Amino acid sequence: GAGVSQSPSNKVTEKGKDVELRCDPISGHTALYWYRQRLGQGLEFLIYFQGNSAPDKSGLPSDRFSAERTGESVSTLTIQRTQQEDSAVYLCASRFGPSNQPQHFGDGTRLSIL
Amino acid sequence: AQTVTQSQPEMSVQEAETVTLSCTYDTSENNYYLFWYKQPPSRQMILVIRQEAYKQQNATENRFSVNFQKAAKSFSLKISDSQLGDTAMYFCACGDGATNKLIFGTGTLLAVQP
Repeated sequence: GAGVSQSPSNKVTEKGKDVELRCDPISGHTALYWYRQRLGQGLEFLIYFQGNSAPDKSGLPSDRFSAERTGESVSTLTIQRTQQEDSAVYLCASRFGPSNQPQHFGDGTRLSIL
Repeated sequence: AQTVTQSQPEMSVQEAETVTLSCTYDTSENNYYLFWYKQPPSRQMILVIRQEAYKQQNATENRFSVNFQKAAKSFSLKISDSQLGDTAMYFCACGDGATNKLIFGTGTLLAVQP
């Protein structure tokens, strides 16, 4: 498809389990972002990739959160030892060109921690 | 650090009428960008309009226009001839010129009434 693709669409897991969320950006988009959206709130920035490197990880809430990107394409966001407060929608966005260009968002992964 | 404030949690407008959504922001950056995104129940974030801070002219996009007051750090969105399909959550966001990571407001839920 032509848009940003995220999988899974929904994920339910038990507290303490690890989860991996996947993002396939638009082909050719070098910049990639992860955001978290808690229920009824705005989006919180988590991490920014330029190519395969992450020059800004300032939004990751704890060391249980990590992300990687390979081949200047797919990115995975990993949450270890999940907690109930991790329940949220995790959105990925990608951007082509200079920083004034808009970000294109995926539909997100809704993560529910039981 | 950047902050974005949307002081209207909910708004309602009659179909074909005009509505204005408010947004104020604070940033120490000299080079930044401002965006309005729309999020319908489908969860996807859709770009409505964007404004580059160094441009004095207000951005317009069909029925959508902004009133950008740089000195007051205000960036309101005007929707003319409101349509039922405009019903959604609207988020104001500010991006820095280097990475364009976005800082979002808490959103305004707009309901267009028939």
